[in-house]
Amino acid sequence: QEQLVESGGGVVQPGRSLRLSCAASGFTFSRYTMHWVRQAPGKGLDWLAFISYDGSNQYYADSVKGRFTISRDNFKNTLDLQMNILRAEDTAFYYCARQFSTYNWYFDLWGRGTLVTVSS
Amino acid sequence: QSVLTQSPSVSGAPGQRVTMSCTGGSSDIGAGYDVHWYQQFPGTAPKLLISGDNYRPSGVPDRFSGSKSGTSASLAITGLQAEDEADYYCQSYDSRLGVVFGGGTKLTVL
Repeated sequence: QEQLVESGGGVVQPGRSLRLSCAASGFTFSRYTMHWVRQAPGKGLDWLAFISYDGSNQYYADSVKGRFTISRDNFKNTLDLQMNILRAEDTAFYYCARQFSTYNWYFDLWGRGTLVTVSS
Repeated sequence: QSVLTQSPSVSGAPGQRVTMSCTGGSSDIGAGYDVHWYQQFPGTAPKLLISGDNYRPSGVPDRFSGSKSGTSASLAITGLQAEDEADYYCQSYDSRLGVVFGGGTKLTVL
């Protein structure tokens, strides 16, 4: 069945880097725009970035622009998020999500999330 | 601070009808962008509940419905059930900010 599985979370010190990955299966990954969304413990959803189906376009939330980089490998069916200069406020569950279609900006498939804890 | 504004909480007794609101502005909902709703249970990922203002994906009961007017949208749940107790998030698109979410509404079934 269609599935997204995130990995790479863990505990990291402030100022360090971490790379998250999302493995897609059960659908044609290369046809979909993909996103990263995070959720701090007990808080709401916070959209971070998207990448177009072919990787040619990326867009970031102001809160992570310049620190986070979204990328994808359509041969390996993976979506990545490189996170640099991490801060305590980046502590959250990080979800990858599939955009329904090109002009429909909503998410019809979510991963289970991976927890990133930024702490010294 | 979320771009879309939702009431923090709402409650209702089983069988009742509850509504929750989502208020945006002229660059998101007011600009004509669709509003979508997600349901999230503790410890799980969000699940799409309503898309395109008022479309229910397969498997979503017709007790759930959405509407939109001007810069606001609403989610209504009729025949409230204990299993509906969850957090509900609205989402739209902003021409400058990209994807935007509401802060979420916690539904308590009394």
